[in-house]
Amino acid sequence: QKEVEQDPGPLSVPEGAIVSLNCTYSNSAFQYFMWYRQYSRKGPELLMYTYSSGNKEDGRFTAQVDKSSKYISLFIRDSQPSDSATYLCALAGGTSYGKLTFGQGTILTVHP
Amino acid sequence: DAGVIQSPRHEVTEMGQEVTLRCKPISGHDYLFWYRQTMMRGLELLIYFNNNVPIDDSGMPEDRFSAKMPNASFSTLKIQPSEPRDSAVYFCASSLMGAAKNIQYFGAGTRLSVL
Repeated sequence: QKEVEQDPGPLSVPEGAIVSLNCTYSNSAFQYFMWYRQYSRKGPELLMYTYSSGNKEDGRFTAQVDKSSKYISLFIRDSQPSDSATYLCALAGGTSYGKLTFGQGTILTVHP
Repeated sequence: DAGVIQSPRHEVTEMGQEVTLRCKPISGHDYLFWYRQTMMRGLELLIYFNNNVPIDDSGMPEDRFSAKMPNASFSTLKIQPSEPRDSAVYFCASSLMGAAKNIQYFGAGTRLSVL
């Protein structure tokens, strides 16, 4: 079993839709939870960063962490074609200082 | 800052040839990571350094792969001899110990094709 599971999709939605992206994990030592966005032929870039459980909002993006269920989510409101990218969850914590464990990535397409 | 700089952006080589990928991390960062990304396996960590010292190379697939970091501003990933199954996008990333120690900044990647 992988430490982090993420549905690779692909996910295709119309412009304006609410998008929900999710990851589950097995290692309870994870304390830092991130979402990276990767456009085609580019490197991943940090989108959201959260520590421990709870919600964090940044514009149209909301990151949610439920440590009791070992489940993290990224919500995108009013999705735009420019949101079309691969979204990777990344987790850190425990003894692997500085190291991130990435999900497989979900390919999202928002069509006009 | 210019960000993490990788070279070359694209590399096409023939099986059996030596390939060297280069990375310049963000100035002042003390962690450097090498990843490989494929459609089948996603983003895989190959090796990472802290203050130029290799910390974990358990992700390096075979002895054909080696990585060095001779100083804080330069690292190389070498594949010798290269094989078609090494074809992938290789990313370098760097981070800074501290409050945001787990945030990694990625380069644009090197797209490697081994024929």
